[in-house]
Amino acid sequence: QKEVEQDPGPLSVPEGAIVSLNCTYSNSAFQYFMWYRQYSRKGPELLMYTYSSGNKEDGRFTAQVDKSSKYISLFIRDSQPSDSATYLCAMSYGNNRLAFGKGNQVVVIP
Amino acid sequence: NAGVTQTPKFQVLKTGQSMTLQCAQDMNHNSMYWYRQDPGMGLRLIYYSASEGTTDKGEVPNGYNVSRLNKREFSLRLESAAPSQTSVYFCASTPPGADTEAFFGQGTRLTVV
Repeated sequence: QKEVEQDPGPLSVPEGAIVSLNCTYSNSAFQYFMWYRQYSRKGPELLMYTYSSGNKEDGRFTAQVDKSSKYISLFIRDSQPSDSATYLCAMSYGNNRLAFGKGNQVVVIP
Repeated sequence: NAGVTQTPKFQVLKTGQSMTLQCAQDMNHNSMYWYRQDPGMGLRLIYYSASEGTTDKGEVPNGYNVSRLNKREFSLRLESAAPSQTSVYFCASTPPGADTEAFFGQGTRLTVV
């Protein structure tokens, strides 16, 4: 079993819809939880991170962590075509090593 | 401020050939990483370097070697390329005490035929 599980299935939504992405993990030692966004043919870039259970908002993006269930989510409200990208969850013990999920390709259709 | 710079951006190799992928960062970061990204597999860590002079194996190190030349530069070498090494390779670095934020290069698309 991989440390971080993310169903890599592509997701297509109409513009304005809410996008919901999630990852599960097996190791309760993870302390930091991140979402990276990767545009086509580019390197990933950090979108959001959190280190505690609960919700964190940044504009149209909300990151949610449930440590008791070992489950993290990313919600994108009022999705835009510019949100079309691959979203990767990542986790860290705090030891300079990140464990990544497989990524979800999101397509927002105008 | 260029961030993380990788060269080359594209490369085609024949099986058995060798090559070195170069990576340099200008952000004074201590830790640097090499990942490969394959469809359906996500990012997998090949090697990392926590600081100048140290390197450690990641999840998929076989067939690769690395050199942390100085604080800025971290190179990845394929001694005898195989078709299974066809992939997109990313170099990344993290600032000290903040390993949540990895800064990635633009990637090197390598095809081994």
